[in-house]
Order: sequence, then C-alpha cells, then structure tokens
Amino acid sequence: KNEVEQSPQNLTAQEGEFITINCSYSVGISALHWLQQHPGGGIVSLFMLSSGKKKHGRLIATINIQEKHSSLHITASHPRDSAVYICAVPLFGGGSQGNLIFGKGTKLSVKP
Amino acid sequence: DVKVTQSSRYLVKRTGEKVFLECVQDMDHENMFWYRQDPGLGLRLIYFSYDVKMKEKGDIPEGYSVSREKKERFSLILESASTNQTSMYLCASSFGGVGETQYFGPGTRLLVL
Repeated sequence: KNEVEQSPQNLTAQEGEFITINCSYSVGISALHWLQQHPGGGIVSLFMLSSGKKKHGRLIATINIQEKHSSLHITASHPRDSAVYICAVPLFGGGSQGNLIFGKGTKLSVKP
Repeated sequence: DVKVTQSSRYLVKRTGEKVFLECVQDMDHENMFWYRQDPGLGLRLIYFSYDVKMKEKGDIPEGYSVSREKKERFSLILESASTNQTSMYLCASSFGGVGETQYFGPGTRLLVL
C-alpha cells in the first residue's frame, strides 16, 4: 500500500512570496495528483502528472519518479491562494481500479 | 464540465436517526467514492463502487452502508447516527482505470447531536 507524506503541514507566507509544498510517496506510481480545497469544503483537481513538470498560471507541479517526490510551487502568491493543498497517488502504485490515497494536506495562508 | 452534486450542504441530526446522503454525477463515471474528512486526519475512504450494484468497503466502513442502484447515484447511509459521525462527508467520481482524476462534490457537513 502506498504511503503519502506532505510537508509542511502548515505554511504562512506574505503576498508575493514563492511557495513550495512537498509530497513524498513510497510505491512507484502511474500518476500523481495535486488538489486544492478552499475554506467551505469543495475540492478541485489542479494537476495530474506522471513525469516532468506541468504549469497552470502561477502554479507549477514537478515530479521526480526515481526519487518518489513531487513539489507544488506557487509563484507571486496571493491571498486568494489560501487553501489546503492535497497530494494523492494511486493506492497500490500501478493498480487498484482508481482508488487514490491522499496526503493529510498542507494548509497555506497568504497574508496581504 | 463534470458536475458532482450532494443532496445537502449542512445537516443536523439526532443520535440514533437514520441518515441518507445522496450523491449524483453527470459524467457517466464508473467509479464513485464516499469519504469523510476530519481535522488532522485528511480524507478517509468509507466505501466505493466500481459499477452499478457493486460496493466495496474502504478504510472506515463501520457504521455506514451504501447503495448504488443507478450508475449516476451513490448513496451513503448512516443506519443509526452517532456523535462520532459528526464530520464533513465528500463524494467523488471518476472514470474507471488506474489513477484517474476524481471529481468531488461540494461536501455535506453533518452534525449529530
């Protein structure tokens, strides 16, 4: 069974700062997901990646398959980026019909 | 756009009541999931379903049951609500296959008194 560790658990930043959130997992995977949860509950998928890097606006996700590690970066952070960011990987690496296992999340607070 | 809806955003029930939480998705997804989310514990899987009338236990199925009579609808049932079931409940759906993106509903915040 895959294990997912995220760091840090909590992060406070000033507006404009560059932010990095880290995710490590224990079993080789086919794809890794980054999700965002705003106060109020709704969870949205930000990225699904299996290699290299993906960029969407000010968000960049990278993955190093050999090191079993992924990072989510936010450039020029803004208070509206305040949310919980969650990393998720397939339950058993390459299989198990779509089940994901989730990290406990990183709570980001960006101060104006 | 994929849409996953849940029957209630907020719910208050009394201990011992039977509680139904409904989830509907409009993307013909094979997989549907029920999670609960508690502070410091993250998302924990209660039950999931890969097909109509199919159900599998997740990590914390005790005190819950589910029903999937139609592909688009997945119901979570608390047979006799208890205070330790006070939580945020999130439904998700995805296409079949490994590591597919899950699409989440808005969540139901349940308070059991």
